[in-house]
Amino acid sequence: GAGVSQSPRYKVAKRGQDVALRCDPISGHVSLFWYQQALGQGPEFLTYFQNEAQLDKSGLPSDRFFAERPEGSVSTLKIQRTQQEDSAVYLCASSLGSFHTDTQYFGPGTRLTVL
Amino acid sequence: AQKVTQAQTEISVVEKEDVTLDCVYETRDTTYYLFWYKQPPSGELVFLIRRNSFDEQNEISGRYSWNFQKSTSSFNFTITASQVVDSAVYFCALSGTEKSSGDKLTFGTGTRLAVRP
Repeated sequence: GAGVSQSPRYKVAKRGQDVALRCDPISGHVSLFWYQQALGQGPEFLTYFQNEAQLDKSGLPSDRFFAERPEGSVSTLKIQRTQQEDSAVYLCASSLGSFHTDTQYFGPGTRLTVL
Repeated sequence: AQKVTQAQTEISVVEKEDVTLDCVYETRDTTYYLFWYKQPPSGELVFLIRRNSFDEQNEISGRYSWNFQKSTSSFNFTITASQVVDSAVYFCALSGTEKSSGDKLTFGTGTRLAVRP
């Protein structure tokens, strides 16, 4: 079956621009996660959805970062007024159950470069 | 707070050698889950294994094996008879069950494995 997909795969933005990153989870998966991966580092948690409810957004680095999953499937991560330090790979993951310790399956990521 | 340490930044081996990737974790949770993921050059994280804290049996899957030792808070990963296709960055990750641990995977910094022909 289809895995987690993300678009765009690559995004170049000028400092100050707004960007929107999309995640399509595996069909039927209840939980959805966003992570940020800086070069040479492990992924860092940003936020977690269970269906359409955002249960944990403790990892969002600032109020410029906003995520939504309005119908409980597709999710969008929006970054307003991008800064150079936002350059990273943004990974989306989904899991079947509603427990965050279920196995998470990852998408290919969106590489964001802010100039 | 949870923490995962992968002390080996890079490992280089010749094909057919065995290699062990180390993972040490810290958590205050009684129940927790440990994971290994592979990240090939394409960038996608590929799930390898999930293990809960009550299951200390070692596991073998083909050329892969995992050694979980609760006494030393370690969850090491061994590749037997390595192949060039094993070249990737490998991440160990931890997920707790207490509210204080949050709803997330905590990753180590990864070990880059290079297998030379």
